[in-house]
Amino acid sequence: AQSVAQPEDQVNVAEGNPLTVKCTYSVSGNPYLFWYVQYPNRGLQFLLKYITGDNLVKGSYGFEAEFNKSQTSFHLKKPSALVSDSALYFCAVRDRSTGTASKLTFGTGTRLQVTL
Amino acid sequence: GAVVSQHPSRVICKSGTSVKIECRSLDFQATTMFWYRQFPKQSLMLMATSNEGSKATYEQGVEKDKFLINHASLTLSTLTVTSAHPEDSSFYICSATVAGGLQETQYFGPGTRLLVL
Repeated sequence: AQSVAQPEDQVNVAEGNPLTVKCTYSVSGNPYLFWYVQYPNRGLQFLLKYITGDNLVKGSYGFEAEFNKSQTSFHLKKPSALVSDSALYFCAVRDRSTGTASKLTFGTGTRLQVTL
Repeated sequence: GAVVSQHPSRVICKSGTSVKIECRSLDFQATTMFWYRQFPKQSLMLMATSNEGSKATYEQGVEKDKFLINHASLTLSTLTVTSAHPEDSSFYICSATVAGGLQETQYFGPGTRLLVL
């Protein structure tokens, strides 16, 4: 079984400050990890993914995430937040050892609120 | 690239009627499409996995006779909510994966808001 935990329902940060959205995961094998962002009444937009290689993954809109195997974490980060980053963020995991087109397991989402 | 569209974006229907939602991969072939349901302020719940040319695989607790899925081609999957009831009102989102390899990313459509009166 695989699972994802996003411990914070909401993260508040001032514009220009760094932001972190936390994610921890559990899989029986090695993970594929993803971050998606959702704006109101919209589908999910892909931000970045970790497959293999460098633990620091860079994605869209200046976001990055660091894969930490020992802590089973994949926290999303951005050096300088923008008001337009305010949205709902989902972390997702898939077990690499399962077959193609295996389903993703999503966290419960973290609402990011960036204020002026 | 990897754009997924859904139609309609919003639909209102009377209880007892059926509603069809289309999911299309616009610039790639998708051997697999997924259908999700999202309740307000909640995460995505996977309803079914749809493979082109074969029957969909439904998640536990999802009624396959109520939520009919057809994956007729490599670019189109449809979800039909049959005999809709108010409790079926929700936000339905599809996703598609690019064919090939284990590393495929799911690309999501913009979602369809269904309101059953």
